[in-house]
Amino acid sequence: QSALTQPASVSGSPGQSITISCTGTSSDVGTYNTVSWYQQHPGKAPKLMIYEGSKRPSGVSNRFSGSKSGNTASLTISGLQAEDEADYYCCSYAGSSTLELFGGGTKLTVL
Amino acid sequence: EVQLVESGGGLVQPGGSLRLSCAASGFTFSSYWMYWVRQAPGKGLVWVSRINSDGYSISYADSVKGRFTISRDNAKNTLYLQINSLRAEDTAVYYCARHYSSGSWDYWGQGTLVTVSS
Repeated sequence: QSALTQPASVSGSPGQSITISCTGTSSDVGTYNTVSWYQQHPGKAPKLMIYEGSKRPSGVSNRFSGSKSGNTASLTISGLQAEDEADYYCCSYAGSSTLELFGGGTKLTVL
Repeated sequence: EVQLVESGGGLVQPGGSLRLSCAASGFTFSSYWMYWVRQAPGKGLVWVSRINSDGYSISYADSVKGRFTISRDNAKNTLYLQINSLRAEDTAVYYCARHYSSGSWDYWGQGTLVTVSS
């Protein structure tokens, strides 16, 4: 199975909102409500930001939100801050054969 | 505090072997599925292998089947990845991660770099 599709880059100014899309298929994103999102700063480990589509782990800012429509999941970051500049990856469960699929990653630049 | 600390990476020639370790602390290691996820330089995340809490259910990505072996020692709170027949395309940072729910991992180690080169 192919990786999930994310835009290579997105950008926004401080205080603005941005949305990163994550497109899969009816075999993964469209079927399972398991999309997770990770933030990764250069040289650092990924950090879980959203799980099960829209849930935030304890300690993650409510500026981060997740949603899904059909085969596409989205991560929205509101009130953009300089420290949000990072790479973001989505992931979805894709069934018992494939298990989990990652997206290719999106570089967020805060202008 | 939950901690995952990987070790064992390094420079190895093609065809060589390494054993990666991930020392866990701050939680009941024996209760969790654990994963290895790798990231090639400048590339995205790819899951490599997973093991259930008691070590009897194991899965591998197709790209590493037959060459990588995941295991765990719950008495030592340690996860392992034996990697054999290394190829240049195995060059990556290898992370261990604690499974949280389907498709998600809530804690990650800092990673250990494996470089395959002659």
